Amino acid sequence: RKEVEQDPGPFNVPEGATVAFNCTYSNSASQSFFWYRQDCRKEPKLLMSVYSSGNEDGRFTAQLNRASQYISLLIRDSKLSDSATYLCVVPRHPMNTGFQKLVFGTGTRLLVSP
Amino acid sequence: EPEVTQTPSHQVTQMGQEVILRCVPISNHLYFYWYRQILGQKVEFLVSFYNNEISEKSEIFDDQFSVERPDGSNFTLKIRSTKLEDSAMYFCATTSGPNEQFFGPGTRLTVL
Repeated sequence: RKEVEQDPGPFNVPEGATVAFNCTYSNSASQSFFWYRQDCRKEPKLLMSVYSSGNEDGRFTAQLNRASQYISLLIRDSKLSDSATYLCVVPRHPMNTGFQKLVFGTGTRLLVSP
Repeated sequence: EPEVTQTPSHQVTQMGQEVILRCVPISNHLYFYWYRQILGQKVEFLVSFYNNEISEKSEIFDDQFSVERPDGSNFTLKIRSTKLEDSAMYFCATTSGPNEQFFGPGTRLTVL
Protein backbone atom coordinates (compact mmCIF):
# COMPACT_ATOMS: atom_id res chain seq x y z
CA ARG A 1 0.00 0.00 0.00
CA LYS A 2 1.34 3.46 -0.87
CA GLU A 3 2.10 5.73 2.05
CA VAL A 4 -0.43 8.31 0.81
CA GLU A 5 -2.84 7.51 -1.98
CA GLN A 6 -5.24 9.74 -3.87
CA ASP A 7 -7.43 9.47 -6.96
CA PRO A 8 -5.64 11.74 -9.48
CA GLY A 9 -8.92 12.79 -11.14
CA PRO A 10 -9.60 15.11 -12.81
CA PHE A 11 -12.91 15.86 -11.19
CA ASN A 12 -14.93 18.08 -13.54
CA VAL A 13 -17.77 19.85 -11.74
CA PRO A 14 -20.01 22.82 -12.50
CA GLU A 15 -19.94 25.95 -10.38
CA GLY A 16 -21.99 25.53 -7.24
CA ALA A 17 -21.53 21.79 -7.04
CA THR A 18 -20.33 19.88 -4.00
CA VAL A 19 -17.31 17.68 -4.53
CA ALA A 20 -15.42 15.33 -2.23
CA PHE A 21 -11.96 13.84 -2.43
CA ASN A 22 -10.64 10.90 -0.46
CA CYS A 23 -7.15 10.04 0.57
CA THR A 24 -5.87 6.88 2.22
CA TYR A 25 -2.71 6.55 4.28
CA SER A 26 -0.76 3.51 5.36
CA ASN A 27 0.82 4.53 8.66
CA SER A 28 -1.73 3.90 11.40
CA ALA A 29 0.42 5.88 13.85
CA SER A 30 -0.06 9.14 11.94
CA GLN A 31 -1.70 11.76 14.14
CA SER A 32 -2.08 14.82 11.97
CA PHE A 33 -2.91 15.42 8.36
CA PHE A 34 -3.03 18.30 5.94
CA TRP A 35 -4.76 19.28 2.76
CA TYR A 36 -2.67 21.55 0.57
CA ARG A 37 -3.75 23.27 -2.59
CA GLN A 38 -1.40 23.59 -5.56
CA ASP A 39 -2.02 25.73 -8.60
CA CYS A 40 -0.23 24.90 -11.83
CA ARG A 41 3.54 25.36 -11.46
CA LYS A 42 3.12 27.05 -8.09
CA GLU A 43 4.06 26.08 -4.56
CA PRO A 44 1.77 24.02 -2.31
CA LYS A 45 -0.28 26.17 0.05
CA LEU A 46 -1.88 24.90 3.23
CA LEU A 47 -5.64 24.67 2.97
CA MET A 48 -6.59 22.78 6.13
CA SER A 49 -5.08 20.88 9.03
CA VAL A 50 -6.81 17.84 10.52
CA TYR A 51 -5.81 16.79 14.02
CA SER A 52 -8.91 15.06 15.37
CA SER A 53 -12.05 13.83 13.69
CA GLY A 54 -12.39 16.78 11.37
CA ASN A 55 -12.16 20.45 10.65
CA GLU A 56 -14.41 22.96 8.91
CA ASP A 57 -13.47 26.27 7.36
CA GLY A 58 -16.18 28.00 5.38
CA ARG A 59 -17.00 25.93 2.32
CA PHE A 60 -14.29 23.38 3.11
CA THR A 61 -14.68 20.42 5.46
CA ALA A 62 -12.02 17.84 6.19
CA GLN A 63 -12.85 14.59 7.94
CA LEU A 64 -10.66 11.89 9.36
CA ASN A 65 -11.53 8.23 9.74
CA ARG A 66 -8.75 6.62 11.72
CA ALA A 67 -10.27 3.15 11.69
CA SER A 68 -10.27 3.07 7.90
CA GLN A 69 -7.20 5.30 7.56
CA TYR A 70 -8.65 7.83 5.23
CA ILE A 71 -9.10 11.57 5.13
CA SER A 72 -11.65 13.35 3.02
CA LEU A 73 -12.01 16.91 1.77
CA LEU A 74 -15.45 18.26 0.94
CA ILE A 75 -15.88 21.46 -1.02
CA ARG A 76 -19.35 22.97 -1.07
CA ASP A 77 -20.63 25.57 -3.53
CA SER A 78 -17.60 25.21 -5.82
CA LYS A 79 -16.16 28.37 -7.35
CA LEU A 80 -14.16 28.72 -10.54
CA SER A 81 -11.24 29.75 -8.36
CA ASP A 82 -11.31 26.36 -6.62
CA SER A 83 -9.83 24.79 -9.77
CA ALA A 84 -6.48 23.42 -8.63
CA THR A 85 -4.78 20.24 -7.50
CA TYR A 86 -5.55 19.20 -3.93
CA LEU A 87 -2.71 17.44 -2.16
CA CYS A 88 -3.23 15.08 0.75
CA VAL A 89 -0.22 15.33 3.05
CA VAL A 90 0.77 13.15 5.98
CA PRO A 91 3.63 14.36 8.16
CA ARG A 92 6.14 11.91 9.48
CA HIS A 93 7.71 12.82 12.81
CA PRO A 94 11.04 11.25 13.68
CA MET A 95 11.11 10.52 17.40
CA ASN A 96 12.16 13.33 19.74
CA THR A 97 12.61 15.92 17.08
CA GLY A 98 10.82 19.16 16.43
CA PHE A 99 10.56 18.70 12.73
CA GLN A 100 8.35 16.75 10.44
CA LYS A 101 8.84 15.43 6.96
CA LEU A 102 5.81 15.89 4.74
CA VAL A 103 4.74 12.92 2.64
CA PHE A 104 2.60 14.03 -0.27
CA GLY A 105 0.00 12.20 -2.27
CA THR A 106 -0.01 12.62 -6.02
CA GLY A 107 -2.88 15.09 -5.75
CA THR A 108 -6.43 15.21 -7.08
CA ARG A 109 -7.10 17.67 -9.86
CA LEU A 110 -10.32 19.68 -9.69
CA LEU A 111 -11.74 21.59 -12.63
CA VAL A 112 -14.73 23.83 -11.91
CA SER A 113 -16.53 25.03 -15.02
CA PRO A 114 -19.07 27.86 -15.46
CA GLU B 1 2.67 38.54 5.82
CA PRO B 2 6.20 37.11 5.96
CA GLU B 3 7.07 34.72 3.18
CA VAL B 4 9.78 32.39 1.98
CA THR B 5 11.62 33.60 -1.10
CA GLN B 6 13.67 31.61 -3.58
CA THR B 7 16.12 32.54 -6.30
CA PRO B 8 16.41 32.11 -9.16
CA SER B 9 12.87 31.45 -10.30
CA HIS B 10 14.18 29.52 -13.30
CA GLN B 11 17.65 28.05 -13.86
CA VAL B 12 18.76 26.48 -17.10
CA THR B 13 22.02 24.56 -17.02
CA GLN B 14 24.02 22.06 -19.00
CA MET B 15 24.34 18.49 -17.79
CA GLY B 16 27.37 18.12 -15.54
CA GLN B 17 27.33 21.72 -14.33
CA GLU B 18 26.95 22.77 -10.71
CA VAL B 19 23.91 24.75 -9.62
CA ILE B 20 23.10 26.50 -6.37
CA LEU B 21 19.50 27.19 -5.47
CA ARG B 22 18.86 29.79 -2.80
CA CYS B 23 16.15 30.23 -0.24
CA VAL B 24 15.56 33.00 2.27
CA PRO B 25 13.50 31.59 5.14
CA ILE B 26 10.99 33.44 7.28
CA SER B 27 13.09 35.20 9.90
CA ASN B 28 12.16 33.32 13.10
CA HIS B 29 12.02 29.91 11.48
CA LEU B 30 14.53 27.31 12.53
CA TYR B 31 13.65 24.23 10.49
CA PHE B 32 14.38 24.16 6.80
CA TYR B 33 13.46 21.70 4.10
CA TRP B 34 13.99 21.09 0.42
CA TYR B 35 11.42 19.26 -1.66
CA ARG B 36 11.35 18.63 -5.36
CA GLN B 37 8.58 17.99 -7.85
CA ILE B 38 9.31 16.48 -11.24
CA LEU B 39 6.80 17.69 -13.81
CA GLY B 40 3.56 15.73 -13.50
CA GLN B 41 4.68 13.89 -10.37
CA LYS B 42 4.19 14.31 -6.66
CA VAL B 43 6.15 16.54 -4.31
CA GLU B 44 9.03 14.57 -2.77
CA PHE B 45 11.04 15.26 0.37
CA LEU B 46 14.77 15.74 -0.18
CA VAL B 47 16.30 16.92 3.07
CA SER B 48 15.62 18.63 6.39
CA PHE B 49 18.07 20.92 8.17
CA TYR B 50 18.19 22.22 11.72
CA ASN B 51 20.88 23.85 13.80
CA ASN B 52 23.33 23.79 10.90
CA GLU B 53 23.01 20.07 10.42
CA ILE B 54 21.10 17.73 8.18
CA SER B 55 18.35 16.11 10.25
CA GLU B 56 17.13 13.66 7.66
CA LYS B 57 17.65 13.04 3.97
CA SER B 58 15.87 10.91 1.43
CA GLU B 59 17.48 8.38 -0.88
CA ILE B 60 17.17 10.96 -3.66
CA PHE B 61 19.61 13.19 -1.75
CA ASP B 62 22.81 11.46 -2.80
CA ASP B 63 26.42 12.67 -2.76
CA GLN B 64 25.72 15.10 -5.58
CA PHE B 65 23.51 17.16 -3.29
CA SER B 66 24.50 19.34 -0.37
CA VAL B 67 22.83 21.98 1.77
CA GLU B 68 24.16 24.75 3.90
CA ARG B 69 23.25 27.99 5.57
CA PRO B 70 26.39 29.97 4.77
CA ASP B 71 25.53 33.35 6.25
CA GLY B 72 22.79 32.69 8.78
CA SER B 73 20.07 33.82 6.42
CA ASN B 74 20.22 32.09 3.03
CA PHE B 75 19.62 28.37 2.91
CA THR B 76 21.12 26.78 -0.19
CA LEU B 77 20.82 23.55 -2.10
CA LYS B 78 23.79 22.67 -4.28
CA ILE B 79 23.79 20.05 -6.99
CA ARG B 80 27.40 19.34 -7.91
CA SER B 81 27.05 17.69 -11.30
CA THR B 82 23.55 17.98 -12.68
CA LYS B 83 21.87 15.15 -14.57
CA LEU B 84 18.94 15.33 -16.96
CA GLU B 85 16.74 13.70 -14.32
CA ASP B 86 17.43 16.56 -11.89
CA SER B 87 15.10 18.73 -13.97
CA ALA B 88 12.26 19.61 -11.60
CA MET B 89 10.73 22.31 -9.43
CA TYR B 90 12.66 22.67 -6.19
CA PHE B 91 10.74 24.05 -3.25
CA CYS B 92 12.21 25.33 -0.04
CA ALA B 93 9.99 25.14 3.05
CA THR B 94 10.52 26.52 6.52
CA THR B 95 8.79 26.27 9.87
CA SER B 96 9.24 27.43 13.43
CA GLY B 97 8.40 23.99 14.84
CA PRO B 98 6.32 20.87 14.21
CA ASN B 99 3.53 22.72 12.48
CA GLU B 100 2.71 24.34 9.19
CA GLN B 101 5.52 24.40 6.68
CA PHE B 102 5.63 27.51 4.55
CA PHE B 103 6.74 26.89 1.00
CA GLY B 104 8.66 29.24 -1.23
CA PRO B 105 7.57 29.84 -4.83
CA GLY B 106 10.09 27.33 -6.12
CA THR B 107 12.98 27.26 -8.57
CA ARG B 108 12.37 25.55 -11.87
CA LEU B 109 15.59 23.74 -12.82
CA THR B 110 16.02 22.67 -16.42
CA VAL B 111 19.03 20.49 -17.23
CA LEU B 112 19.89 20.26 -20.93
